[in-house]
Amino acid sequence: AQKITQTQPGMFVQEKEAVTLDCTYDTSDPSYGLFWYKQPSSGEMIFLIYQGSYDQQNATEGRYSLNFQKARKSANLVISASQLGDSAMYFCAMREVQTGANNLFFGTGTRLTVIP
Amino acid sequence: GAVVSQHPSWVICKSGTSVKIECRSLDFQATTMFWYRQFPKQSLMLMATSNEGSKATYEQGVEKDKFLINHASLTLSTLTVTSAHPEDSSFYICSAPKDRSTIYEQYFGPGTRLTVT
Repeated sequence: AQKITQTQPGMFVQEKEAVTLDCTYDTSDPSYGLFWYKQPSSGEMIFLIYQGSYDQQNATEGRYSLNFQKARKSANLVISASQLGDSAMYFCAMREVQTGANNLFFGTGTRLTVIP
Repeated sequence: GAVVSQHPSWVICKSGTSVKIECRSLDFQATTMFWYRQFPKQSLMLMATSNEGSKATYEQGVEKDKFLINHASLTLSTLTVTSAHPEDSSFYICSAPKDRSTIYEQYFGPGTRLTVT
């Protein structure tokens, strides 16, 4: 089974509007971390936001917020006030803590296009 | 902040030759580094875990004799693609966790784009 599922291959948003990128995950590990990365056309992976499985509050980082619904196993990324520079691929990822492996499992990504 | 570098950033090689890609942690020591491969328009797939001073751990389906990993120091891991073929053309990205106890301090290199002709 896929550990991370991103069902939106592509999304469009008008500049200055908010957009939600979906992510669901699957794990039996009670302790895990959820991440969102942005990958522009240059290829670098840019860390955006992190949510721990035991965190009580949804994570926020500037214009990025993570809508964490543990019971539904979803960790959607919300980008507010979209900018043209937000156009990129966005990847949701997970690390399972108890396995001790430290590596990340990535979803297939969502390509976001911001329309002027 | 912590930085991970990769060299080269892109490389073109002929089929049958070998290519070495370096991954360096610039301001922290990394006992573990991860090598990912990303095909065009696809996600990152973990290839192997590089462990300083010991053998790398390869994911299922990754040929250890083809993708040689050496983690000789706490700041350098190398991935050598041996006898490269066109199907090895991909974007290779390394990453390193800064501290095993820190759940999210993982830093990615800028990636290496390999084209095999």
